[in-house]
Amino acid sequence: SQQGEEDPQALSIQEGENATMNCSYKTSINNLQWYRQNSGRGLVHLILIRSNEREKHSGRLRVTLDTSKKSSSLLITASRAADTASYFCATDENDYKLSFGAGTTVTVRA
Amino acid sequence: GAVVSQHPSWVICKSGTSVKIECRSLDFQATTMFWYRQFPKQSLMLMATSNEGSKATYEQGVEKDKFLINHASLTLSTLTVTSAHPEDSSFYICSASSQEGSTDTQYFGPGTRLTVL
Repeated sequence: SQQGEEDPQALSIQEGENATMNCSYKTSINNLQWYRQNSGRGLVHLILIRSNEREKHSGRLRVTLDTSKKSSSLLITASRAADTASYFCATDENDYKLSFGAGTTVTVRA
Repeated sequence: GAVVSQHPSWVICKSGTSVKIECRSLDFQATTMFWYRQFPKQSLMLMATSNEGSKATYEQGVEKDKFLINHASLTLSTLTVTSAHPEDSSFYICSASSQEGSTDTQYFGPGTRLTVL
């Protein structure tokens, strides 16, 4: 089953701008992960944030988690053309199964 | 890092035939493997979970007789789409975990695109 909902569905930005996307989920979680998928390819793991963490950074990525609102955000700073991809959040449903959000398609214009 | 491969990367078959997709963990032992299906411009939907040496657990709505899963060893799981039809055309992705009961350590394969004519 799909637990997460992401918004926006699609995002188009200029190279150098920041991109922010949000993910909401329904049940309590142990962790939330963000993945990137280039068109027609597999998933690349970006970052994992645990339920007791509020913010995490990895390079140009910043993830926040608000368990009271059951939501997370992914910020990509200083975007590049290579960041063009679909981004998915995934939560751990039933402890070991990942439930993916609908995804946000990001297009970075040169 | 841990690497998961899938073979083939794409396959085209005629309606009514069966197609086998392999998922291998190359440098670690995968206690659990997961199979997902992704339709164009949609998210990944979990189809089934397989543990080495035991029967797969299928998600609600997934026909176990149509999507046969075999996890014969700690490095190989196979998904066989039996009597494939055009509606089975999709992107199939596997993931592998070395830790039972954990989502932290799932590593994803590159996916297999199945087109049924």
